[in-house]
Amino acid sequence: DGGITQSPKYLFRKEGQNVTLSCEQNLNHDAMYWYRQDPGQGLRLIYYSHIVNDFQKGDIAEGYSVSREKKESFPLTVTSAQKNPTAFYLCASSQGPDSPLHFGNGTRLTVT
Amino acid sequence: QKEVEQDPGPLSVPEGAIVSLNCTYSNSAFQYFMWYRQYSRKGPELLMYTYSSGNKEDGRFTAQVDKSSKYISLFIRDSQPSDSATYLCAMSEDDKIIFGKGTRLHILP
Repeated sequence: DGGITQSPKYLFRKEGQNVTLSCEQNLNHDAMYWYRQDPGQGLRLIYYSHIVNDFQKGDIAEGYSVSREKKESFPLTVTSAQKNPTAFYLCASSQGPDSPLHFGNGTRLTVT
Repeated sequence: QKEVEQDPGPLSVPEGAIVSLNCTYSNSAFQYFMWYRQYSRKGPELLMYTYSSGNKEDGRFTAQVDKSSKYISLFIRDSQPSDSATYLCAMSEDDKIIFGKGTRLHILP
């Protein structure tokens, strides 16, 4: 069954720690995306990648980093520099420009 | 003016009613239009994907695009309690995708 797997579903960290969120897809999609969703704010784009070993900043990239070493994987690191890291993080993939996004089921990160 | 406007709701309708969800947009360059359904604590699920003006039907769902008015709609016929969710509109131009903030829908049994 093809899809996008995000793990873990819930993640708790202490302030000042970096944390990495996993995203794996078996849809053979070239493009992958990370979004952050906060109540009342909608989806905000953090980073995206259209091809392996290449990625671009989205609208709110500060305090985040990514890598794209494999087509199937696009991990997101939330660094200690991110001022408000507690949020619901969504990973998505698509076949390319003008193709719809397919989302994983998200990781809820809580930093205290 | 925001690029995509969507009423946040909540919208409450009785079971069996026809639901109308809407988005307006300002960027006439948007070419592709999508509707997603999101249940609580889940990722958005693609419902409809359209390109041209006009209607596209899939089961109980109909997506309507009016490019001249910069207005898109999603109609749900014979609404069910399982349709209770947040509905997000999205539109794209090349590799830029903009989402509405979502409308919370409650179907009352």
